[in-house]
Amino acid sequence: GQNIDQPTEMTATEGAIVQINCTYQTSGFNGLFWYQQHAGEAPTFLSYNVLDGLEEKGRFSSFLSRSKGYSYLLLKELQMKDSASYLCAVLHTGGFKTIFGAGTRLFVKA
Amino acid sequence: DVKVTQSSRYLVKRTGEKVFLECVQDMDHENMFWYRQDPGLGLRLIYFSYDVKMKEKGDIPEGYSVSREKKERFSLILESASTNQTSMYLCASSPQILEPEANYGYTFGSGTRLTVV
Repeated sequence: GQNIDQPTEMTATEGAIVQINCTYQTSGFNGLFWYQQHAGEAPTFLSYNVLDGLEEKGRFSSFLSRSKGYSYLLLKELQMKDSASYLCAVLHTGGFKTIFGAGTRLFVKA
Repeated sequence: DVKVTQSSRYLVKRTGEKVFLECVQDMDHENMFWYRQDPGLGLRLIYFSYDVKMKEKGDIPEGYSVSREKKERFSLILESASTNQTSMYLCASSPQILEPEANYGYTFGSGTRLTVV
């Protein structure tokens, strides 16, 4: 079967660091995405990992371990505008199909 | 600015109606996708297309069909709308091959919130 698990909700404080975990079991793997989605808006691309390791992009970093079926998104220096849902998604072999997790709603408090 | 445009932001239809959701992209992307998004379930793939006139079923194709007559346009059709098709529908597009160094993912439209009454 295919399964992507991530926590439903998380709360963190402005200025802090938060790590959102994602585990996956899929029949094929060609890379892992993280998307950000603000309420009522479309998802927007944050990161794409295809090799093991950490990819850093400004305040956001994403990590992948293919052998463990595990990824995390790390958000540093949290800002109120980071309050959103964060979607973990696996790109299937062949590159045509992406399977999404249900998303993690992050609340950033002052 | 590159874009995926969905024709309607909000739509209310009656049970049994035939419903057309239109999506147009201006990025010359080969791949186009239709997802629906429901609370607690995330995005689920309905259909996708990797070329003009080509279509593939996603994970939940029942009750839906699609049309891709031109590269830039991908239409989702609800043959006979039912209340369990009330949802947010998201169209997305991507280039044919996502290279590791390309680093851009899918581009999504703003979504159509469909209510079937």
